Amino acid sequence: GQQLNQSPQSMFIQEGEDVSMNCTSSSIFNTWLWYKQEPGEGPVLLIALYKAGELTSNGRLTAQFGITRKDSFLNISASIPSDVGIYFCAGQRFRATSGTYKYIFGTGTRLKVLA
Amino acid sequence: DAGVTQSPTHLIKTRGQQVTLRCSPKSGHDTVSWYQQALGQGPQFIFQYYEEEERQRGNFPDRFSGHQFPNYSSELNVNALLLGDSALYLCASSPGIRGKNNYGYTFGSGTRLTVV
Repeated sequence: GQQLNQSPQSMFIQEGEDVSMNCTSSSIFNTWLWYKQEPGEGPVLLIALYKAGELTSNGRLTAQFGITRKDSFLNISASIPSDVGIYFCAGQRFRATSGTYKYIFGTGTRLKVLA
Repeated sequence: DAGVTQSPTHLIKTRGQQVTLRCSPKSGHDTVSWYQQALGQGPQFIFQYYEEEERQRGNFPDRFSGHQFPNYSSELNVNALLLGDSALYLCASSPGIRGKNNYGYTFGSGTRLTVV
């Protein structure tokens, strides 16, 4: 099945450092979402982006909707140990024939924070 | 307010067997989507149910089927299980399916299926 490309695949960082990750697609999306998944849990929505060029923050998290609508970025400032987890991007795909939408997920970025 | 609940949490089945997974959506949500998440991968879309009908389907064989009940809860059935079906199966619900209702999904914690 189709998945969006995320990079990096994984990263180890020191507590207090800033983190950047991105997500790219070969096709356009009208909505981008960022989720975080912790072991044994389902993904939890962090940020939703609805317009090309949009920059949205949620606490220490900031995400941007790329102008081309084919990419998105997530930044985490001043990382803390509880930021550990897998971060997924997701793009919304709208099906005109049924008027319904679904989300395509990225391959994930695994973040580990060293205290 | 209960979120999305899935049962069972873990399941072990033998190749060739059939399995049924269950999902109750978050209160106020009427759309249920199912995803398969293999180890180390992102969730892959299986199908989506709204008004008791399958509305969209991903690239999964007919061995994967589903159902939605009048109370919006849903089941995922997998027949003739293969070793490759071992994965975390996630149910996600959302309030509506059409137009501008694009607030993302609320996910359950998943059912971990192991096929041996």
